[in-house]
Amino acid sequence: EPEVTQTPSHQVTQMGQEVILRCVPISNHLYFYWYRQILGQKVEFLVSFYNNEISEKSEIFDDQFSVERPDGSNFTLKIRSTKLEDSAMYFCAGRGRTNEKLFFGSGTQLSVL
Amino acid sequence: AQSVTQLGSHVSVSEGALVLLRCNYSSSVPPYLFWYVQYPNQGLQLLLKYTSAATLVKGINGFEAEFKKSETSFHLTKPSAHMSDAAEYFCAVSRGGGSNYKLTFGKGTLLTVNP
Repeated sequence: EPEVTQTPSHQVTQMGQEVILRCVPISNHLYFYWYRQILGQKVEFLVSFYNNEISEKSEIFDDQFSVERPDGSNFTLKIRSTKLEDSAMYFCAGRGRTNEKLFFGSGTQLSVL
Repeated sequence: AQSVTQLGSHVSVSEGALVLLRCNYSSSVPPYLFWYVQYPNQGLQLLLKYTSAATLVKGINGFEAEFKKSETSFHLTKPSAHMSDAAEYFCAVSRGGGSNYKLTFGKGTLLTVNP
């Protein structure tokens, strides 16, 4: 079965630094998502992306966050100035036009020190 | 607004025993409901989904779930647990298909299977 690939699997950064989390979705997918899971808490929706623009974002997704799909393959999540509370597992997901099944990547564990 | 409540953050069963993981939902519109499984160091994998067709939904690995509108429940069951079922299970709700398709997850239930 095709896979969503996320890199790196672990990222450690200092508070205030910028991080970019990378995702390579399945090639025929059209809708893309970022979710995150803080340790011990729910998996939370961050943002959805379609046709090269954000279609919906949560209240978590403030001005410090941005997403882009610069080359038609990679889908990135950038956090401009990380905070301690950004420490979480970040999941990328994607789906095709008519298939409601979301394919998730294995996640990037972000630790902000 | 939509929400999901998973009763029990940790469920422990013996190998061969019935697995029952509970999920109750709240939704202002007819919901789509999902169960995902997460094995250690892996992503979320769809087990099964309910999208307004048959109320008893069969998924992978012998799991099934029944949508009960009167009880706003979507409990996950498996008749006989296997050691390989040990994982974290997440119930999720969506307001439907379409371009947004935002999932709202429960907190998850960790299933351990004892030999």
